[in-house]
This record gives sequence, C-alpha cells and structure tokens, in this order.
Amino acid sequence: QKEVEQNSGPLSVPEGAIASLNCTYSDRVSQSFFWYRQYSGKSPELIMSIYSNGDKEDGRFTAQLNKASQYVSLLIRDSQPSDSATYLCAVNRFGGYQKVTFGTGTKLQVIP
Amino acid sequence: DGGITQSPKYLFRKEGQNVTLSCEQNLNHDAMYWYRQDPGQGLRLIYYSQIVNDFQKGDIAEGYSVSREKKESFPLTVTSAQKNPTAFYLCASSSPGGGWETQYFGPGTRLLVL
Repeated sequence: QKEVEQNSGPLSVPEGAIASLNCTYSDRVSQSFFWYRQYSGKSPELIMSIYSNGDKEDGRFTAQLNKASQYVSLLIRDSQPSDSATYLCAVNRFGGYQKVTFGTGTKLQVIP
Repeated sequence: DGGITQSPKYLFRKEGQNVTLSCEQNLNHDAMYWYRQDPGQGLRLIYYSQIVNDFQKGDIAEGYSVSREKKESFPLTVTSAQKNPTAFYLCASSSPGGGWETQYFGPGTRLLVL
C-alpha cells in the first residue's frame, strides 16, 4: 500500500463546476496535510494546509480532513480553465524529523 | 523579495560527468530538501538538512551528494554513479515550528543526459 494515494486522473470538469480531488494516507500518526498545485513544467506551489478534522476554506478552495477514515480532499468551486494542473497531496508524519510524503498527483482538466 | 532560487534552469550532463545544482534561499529557513520528480511519479526525497553542517539521506540518495556550509545554500551534486539522472530536480525549504512544517519549492532544474 502506498503511503499517500491519489487517483492519477485526468479528472475533467466543465468550467464553473466543482472539482473534487481525493487523497488517502496509510500512516495513522500523520499530523498535517497539504495540497500543492503544479502546472506542467513548473514547481509545486502550496494551496492549502489542514491539521484538524473538518473543513478549511480559502476562497474557492476547501480542504476536508477525516483522520478516522484517513482521507483528505480538496474541493475547487467555480472551476476555471486556469485551475487545470496536477494537484499533489502531501502528508507530514509526526516525529523528530517531520518527513513529508507526496502522492503522485491528480491531473485536473477544466473544460471551457 | 524572499524566495528560493535554483540554477541552472536546464542542465546537460555527459556520461561520467559530475554536475552540481544550485539552491539558495533567503527565507531564513532552517531546513532544506532536494527532491527528484520523474514523469508520472511523485516527489522522491534525495537528501535533507535541518541545520548547517548536517544533512541526512532521503529515500534515493545513491549517486548524489550534498553540502550545507551556509544556512542559505544547499547544493546538490549528481555524480557519475547516478546512472539514470534525467529528471526534474526540486529544492525546497521550511521552517519547523510548533510541530507543523510547510515546504516551499524553488522553480526547479531539469537535468538531461547527452
């Protein structure tokens, strides 16, 4: 089982729709969770971080965390063509060295 | 402006050659990291450093070496022992505090083998 799993996609949504990206993780001691956006040929940029169960909203983005079920999701409302990118889920384990493990990413395509 | 810089943007390596990738940050972050990204794969950790003059191997350190002589700088050398070096190399930094660590990435260096 991979430590962090994401559906590779592509996930295609029409412009204006809600895009839902999911991520599951295997280590129950994981403490913090991140979503990065990576445009083709570019480096990842942080979108959101979440540490507690529940929802966290930032503009059109909402991160949802359920530690009991070991999943974290990212919702993008009113999807725009500029949201088309690969979204990486990252999980930070608890410990002296806080290793961050990245998923392989989900490619999102927003169709105009 | 604070940030992370990587150079060069593209790097070509000949067989048997060692090459060094530069990473500099002015964010005053304590920790720095090197990742490798291959098509269709996640980021894999090569080396990391939490303080000056100390660094640790990551998951795929074979064929690579690093140094951390200054807080701002964490260069990565790809040695001739790395037989499949073609990849996108990403440097990141973070400032641990309160148990939560967020990594910020530089623009990356794409390494190609001639």
